[in-house]
Amino acid sequence: DIQMTQSPATLSASVGDRATITCRASQSISTWLAWYQQKPGKAPKLLIYKASSLESGVPSRFSGSGSGTEFTLTISSLQPDDFATYYCLQYSSYPCTFGQGTKLEIE
Amino acid sequence: QVQLQESGPGLVKPSETLSLTCTVSGSSISNYYWSWIRQPPGKGLEWIGYVYSGSTNYNPSLRSRVTISIDTSKNQFSLKLSSVTAADTAVYYCARHYHLDPFDYWGQGTLVTVSS
Repeated sequence: DIQMTQSPATLSASVGDRATITCRASQSISTWLAWYQQKPGKAPKLLIYKASSLESGVPSRFSGSGSGTEFTLTISSLQPDDFATYYCLQYSSYPCTFGQGTKLEIE
Repeated sequence: QVQLQESGPGLVKPSETLSLTCTVSGSSISNYYWSWIRQPPGKGLEWIGYVYSGSTNYNPSLRSRVTISIDTSKNQFSLKLSSVTAADTAVYYCARHYHLDPFDYWGQGTLVTVSS
């Protein structure tokens, strides 16, 4: 199985800040990586696919980059609605695997 | 719009079989892959397996206990997980995707607790 390691586990930030979350794969996954946002009691919501493609309807302050084994999710200017938990997902091969999550909390 | 809805018992006894159904609306069940994903309380996400037009693929960590099936006439697919323990307590989600694509539509999730 491909292991996905996210960092940091928790990120404290303020409204208007730039936030960056990193995901590392245990082997190359090309750009077969997605990012999800999850709020308490809700299903995850797809934000980014193929490492850098923005899902329809997702604000442009979200962006993704990377290839191979290192990937980044950036939120350019945090809004109150962005404080949530974020997960990466590799879908290069089955079993597809998620990172352990990054909780983005208000500082 | 595409909607997925999980249904099934919220409480299952240890050693018994967990059974859930996902009802799909707004999308033909024949043209996509359909997965089950779970999330233990306060923890991360784990892919369980998928069904596509009768073929299946399971997470090796659960393969010996999992069966996923599809009923195209009802636009539903189902999960059975046998010999459950407390470690199987989780919110179970159903989700849609293409082959080796991310999950784009998810159900709201249903909490299944394993307890006597």
